[in-house]
Amino acid sequence: DTGVSQNPRHKITKRGQNVTFRCDPISEHNRLYWYRQTLGQGPEFLTYFQNEAQLEKSRLLSDRFSAERPKGSFSTLEIQRTEQGDSAMYLCASSLSKGQLNTEAFFGQGTRLTVV
Amino acid sequence: GIQVEQSPPDLILQEGANSTLRCNFSDSVNNLQWFHQNPWGQLINLFYIPSGTKQNGRLSATTVATERYSLLYISSSQTTDSGVYFCAVGVYNQGGKLIFGQGTELSVKP
Repeated sequence: DTGVSQNPRHKITKRGQNVTFRCDPISEHNRLYWYRQTLGQGPEFLTYFQNEAQLEKSRLLSDRFSAERPKGSFSTLEIQRTEQGDSAMYLCASSLSKGQLNTEAFFGQGTRLTVV
Repeated sequence: GIQVEQSPPDLILQEGANSTLRCNFSDSVNNLQWFHQNPWGQLINLFYIPSGTKQNGRLSATTVATERYSLLYISSSQTTDSGVYFCAVGVYNQGGKLIFGQGTELSVKP
């Protein structure tokens, strides 16, 4: 397994444009998470999926943001009408859940978004 | 929600020195991970350590869950150890999401 994969690695977009990021988790992992990290801060949770079901969304996830995991495998994160404040690193992680046990999460390389 | 505090925020060492990074958390956890963020932004897993002690080469970690803290030890530091170290915790019934501290930025000088 090659680990968690994200693309693109970098994205520069003009304010007001829509962008979409993709995450491919570790194949046997049933949980997939999206985080956002701004300069000098730790990553902040955005949303997560268990299989194809989106089970939690942070209040950080405004209505311009939408995430999907249509077949319980890869996931996409779309930002509509981007704003300069959306500039950040977007990180994806995956893990294998076993009931209430939280197993180790692994992160992808991230997608660095710059809105100009 | 749970609070995660890391100390110190910054640390400068000479190559070969030892260091201890601390992570305090405000509630019971069922997951604790230490990461090293490389210059390109990727989070590299160091330890999955909700309790107990683990060692991996020059690095070791100890989590005392009952006292709500974890320590990361780096011995004989090298310039390649430079970067930001994050502690992240998961709590019961919250789907495995991680709450991160603000990180410790380590700089190892030759």
